[in-house]
Amino acid sequence: DQQVKQNSPSLSVQEGRISILNCDYTNSMFDYFLWYKKYPAEGPTFLISISSIKDKNEDGRFTVFLNKSAKHLSLHIVPSQPGDSAVYFCAATAINDYKLSFGAGTTVTVRA
Amino acid sequence: EAGVTQFPSHSVIEKGQTVTLRCDPISGHDNLYWYRRVMGKEIKFLLHFVKESKQDESGMPNNRFLAERTGGTYSTLKVQPAELEDSGVYFCASSQGLGGWDEQYFGPGTRLTVT
Repeated sequence: DQQVKQNSPSLSVQEGRISILNCDYTNSMFDYFLWYKKYPAEGPTFLISISSIKDKNEDGRFTVFLNKSAKHLSLHIVPSQPGDSAVYFCAATAINDYKLSFGAGTTVTVRA
Repeated sequence: EAGVTQFPSHSVIEKGQTVTLRCDPISGHDNLYWYRRVMGKEIKFLLHFVKESKQDESGMPNNRFLAERTGGTYSTLKVQPAELEDSGVYFCASSQGLGGWDEQYFGPGTRLTVT
């Protein structure tokens, strides 16, 4: 059963605008959430994370929001740049666990 | 510092044949993970090594898959005999500590095509 879901397979956004990626999870044991970014022919690379004790974490142009009651998180990229065009994976795990549960990914295309 | 490397980058084999994938983790990383992404779907956990010991192989699809980690260094994942549904991208990752919060560094993956 898929415990992490990214329901939007793709997103197209104009350069300079905001990109919003969404992710839902079902396992209430998850308490640590990550976003990974993947370029073609490369492995996923860590982007940003958030623990369940927070509802927001910011790193430069990237901000992740967590709504535990809704079991929902989102990644905001502001402003979007052409180099942000990639596949973004949402992942989750528990503090006392190690394996990551991933979503299916959202392909972001930033238009010039 | 070298990242996680995987070999081969791409393998095409016929159904029934055997394939062995190799992963070299970042030096000093005790934790090594295998994941698989099939047909553009989610990346799924296969198994986890701590040094040479298998900590969790709950994600291994069936007994046609065999993973080893010799001396706690590189790891191999053998598929024997391969089936069509084994096609996908196999990622290896490594990390220093134990816990999902510890950043896992991924290799570029091996794309396996079974025909």
